[in-house]
Amino acid sequence: NAGVTQTPKFQVLKTGQSMTLQCAQDMNHNSMYWYRQDPGMGLRLIYYSASEGTTDKGEVPNGYNVSRLNKREFSLRLESAAPSQTSVYFCASSTYIFATSGGKGDTQYFGPGTRLTVL
Amino acid sequence: GNSVTQMEGPVTLSEEAFLTINCTYTATGYPSLFWYVQYPGEGLQLLLKATKADDKGSNKGFEATYRKETTSFHLEKGSVQVSDSAVYFCALSASGYSTLTFGKGTMLLVSP
Repeated sequence: NAGVTQTPKFQVLKTGQSMTLQCAQDMNHNSMYWYRQDPGMGLRLIYYSASEGTTDKGEVPNGYNVSRLNKREFSLRLESAAPSQTSVYFCASSTYIFATSGGKGDTQYFGPGTRLTVL
Repeated sequence: GNSVTQMEGPVTLSEEAFLTINCTYTATGYPSLFWYVQYPGEGLQLLLKATKADDKGSNKGFEATYRKETTSFHLEKGSVQVSDSAVYFCALSASGYSTLTFGKGTMLLVSP
């Protein structure tokens, strides 16, 4: 099992350029997530997909779009990159535990990250 | 809303010292609680978890007990090693949500 894979590992963009970050998981998880990590800010959720065919905004969605291509793949797109989007981006996946008392997410498994610099 | 508060770092210890990293949370219902670790240049990986009150999660010498009465999930290790130097994140998964809420992370630096 490769777990969660992300491409590319590093990327440098100029302001206004666009790019797509790719993420794939081979654990048959139904939920997938995109985070950004900035110094002193911890991890902030950008978008997530609780199940195939659904996507929802997280804490910091502005400037990003996502596509849940199938159960395995979840991509993050920057349409017009800005220097404020310089960050390390992590993709994660998990199962969702259903329960009569209210389901909740299980352990999230993270990819190795993409380090993005916008000049 | 849901939130996690953990002690700010860095925490600097000598090898074989005792470690405690405090974590408290706010959530409705009965969340699951997690500790993740991030080594330099890597993604996060699960260190341990607890899914109900009074559960103790443990892994690699680290332990944390889910205390509902104090809404806490403090991370402890009896004797740290240089290789434990990393950033540690406390997180929760609340009822009705598939997402995790993370604390801001605590950097641990262990010197020989």
